[in-house]
Formats: sequence, structure tokens, C-alpha cells
Amino acid sequence: QQQVKQSPQSLIVQKGGISIINCAYENTAFDYFPWYQQFPGKGPALLIAIRPDVSEKKEGRFTISFNKSAKQFSLHIMDSQPGDSATYFCAAGQAAGNKLTFGGGTRVLVKP
Amino acid sequence: KAGVTQTPRYLIKTRGQQVTLSCSPISGHRSVSWYQQTPGQGLQFLFEYFSETQRNKGNFPGRFSGRQFSNSRSEMNVSTLELGDSALYLCASSLGTSANEQFFGPGTRLTVL
Repeated sequence: QQQVKQSPQSLIVQKGGISIINCAYENTAFDYFPWYQQFPGKGPALLIAIRPDVSEKKEGRFTISFNKSAKQFSLHIMDSQPGDSATYFCAAGQAAGNKLTFGGGTRVLVKP
Repeated sequence: KAGVTQTPRYLIKTRGQQVTLSCSPISGHRSVSWYQQTPGQGLQFLFEYFSETQRNKGNFPGRFSGRQFSNSRSEMNVSTLELGDSALYLCASSLGTSANEQFFGPGTRLTVL
């Protein structure tokens, strides 16, 4: 019941296009949902996070959409740039403690 | 403000040996969590320390252990290394222990031969 499923595993998008990554979770006790971006040889970097009391959060070109009833959340990267080419991870956590359960990751390639 | 630092960055060990990895959190952060990242299993939570106490533990064998010092710096130890322990070990720091933002270090790449 701790699993977080992420799709797709990989994604190719043209420069200026929209990248969409989806995640689904099972444990209804999760109440914190961050997204991380990871470049090769680096640690994951926090991009944006949402809590279940809001359905959408936007920061620059990155937007999280959250559907509590469906237990799904997604990351939208607007106006994708070649510099956005990286692996993206969704995660889920609970208020008590800092344990994050991660999705399997999505490798995004933005073609110029 | 300096980020999370991890030492060493790369490590090569042989089966049966033990290894100690170190993590210095962001100044003022009191929570340190450790994760293992492998191509097959992805990112998996190892354990979390806050105020020198282990607050949470993942599903890893007892060969994996950790500790936190009074200055919030943390170490993790893996004893009797196995080939499958080859991975990127990531440390993340956070202000507190209640689903706060976690900031990751660059990781220690451990190779077990």
C-alpha cells in the first residue's frame, strides 16, 4: 500500500511543447506530494510540491495537478526546453516523518 | 547557504568489507534521511534521523545502519557488503520531521566488486 506508480517511463517532446507525467498512489495517508528533477551525476532537486487541500499549484513553467478522489497527481512542464531534459520523480509522504515513497521515474528528452 | 554535502563522492569496495558514508545537512536543518538509488529498484528510503534519534526505517536488512551526531551530521554504515549494495546513496536534509521540504546532496556512488 506504499507504492507510487509513475508513467510514462520515458518521454520525448519537441522544444516548446508540453511534457506531462502522471503518478498514482494507493495509501490515503499520504498528504505531501513533491516532484524532483535529477540530472546525471547529481542528486534529485526539489521542483515543486503540493498538499491535498489544493487541486493545482503552479511555479513558473511547472504545474502540479492533484485529484484526491482518483488518488492521482501529475506534473505539467509548459514550453519545454532542452535544459529540461532530465529524469523526473514523483514522490509521496506523510505528515508524520520525512519518509518519501518515490515513483519509478520518467526520463524526459526535449528535442531542439 | 551551503547545500547538503556528502563524502566521499565515489567509493570502491570488495564483497565482505564494510563502508561508512557521511552527510552534512544544510545549516539549521535537523533531519537527515538516507536513500538508496539503483536502476532496478529506483529510490528507496533507508532511514531518517532527527535530533540524534532514528525516527523512521525502511525495509533494508540490519547490515544497513546509521547515526546522527549532535551537530546534525549523519553517517550511514553498511557491513558485510554484497554486490547488490552497489548504488548511489543519497542524503536529504530537512528543517523538521513533518513532511517538510527535503533537499538532496549529490550522493555517494558505491561500487562493490
